[in-house]
Amino acid sequence: TQLLEQSPQFLSIQEGENLTVYCNSSSVFSSLQWYRQEPGEGPVLLVTVVTGGEVKKLKRLTFQFGDARKDSSLHITAAQPGDTGLYLCAGGKRSNDYKLSFGAGTTVTVRA
Amino acid sequence: DVKVTQSSRYLVKRTGEKVFLECVQDMDHENMFWYRQDPGLGLRLIYFSYDVKMKEKGDIPEGYSVSREKKERFSLILESASTNQTSMYLCASSQPASQETQYFGPGTRLLVL
Repeated sequence: TQLLEQSPQFLSIQEGENLTVYCNSSSVFSSLQWYRQEPGEGPVLLVTVVTGGEVKKLKRLTFQFGDARKDSSLHITAAQPGDTGLYLCAGGKRSNDYKLSFGAGTTVTVRA
Repeated sequence: DVKVTQSSRYLVKRTGEKVFLECVQDMDHENMFWYRQDPGLGLRLIYFSYDVKMKEKGDIPEGYSVSREKKERFSLILESASTNQTSMYLCASSQPASQETQYFGPGTRLLVL
């Protein structure tokens, strides 16, 4: 059983459309990270959120951490083919110091 | 530029063989991790190390062992490879603190026949 549930598992949209990926848990996390992984490569960090209710923007990407620090969302505005990839959320806990719990990932395909 | 390198991108081994996967980081990080990634399951932690010669079991350590003789190098060992160990193996490193970024290598895709 995944500690972090991501939805949807797959998402295919046309260039210019918007999309949202969700990451939910029944556990409280002290931090939540979003990574993007391209085929044949390792995951690369996009953002870390640490405060309940926090919203961070990275160009066309908006990340939100839930008030209770149990869930997060990633919203992409006007998606481009370069946004194609596997998006992974990962939660960290102070009591777990070094380890992250990962979701199963959302595969996003943006068609030109 | 931070760098985590893994010894092989692709590896094909036979059942019963001993397999070594090497990972090197150049960031002087104290923590290093080994994950396996399978479709629909995400990344699952096999072992991690928070210091030289120290190691801790992750969520799925069975069938694996690790070695950390130097700070920059973390090796994953499959003592007797089995077909269910066919997977993508990812190494990562980080500094202590739960909010710190984990930097990943490019992965090793292992096929056990």
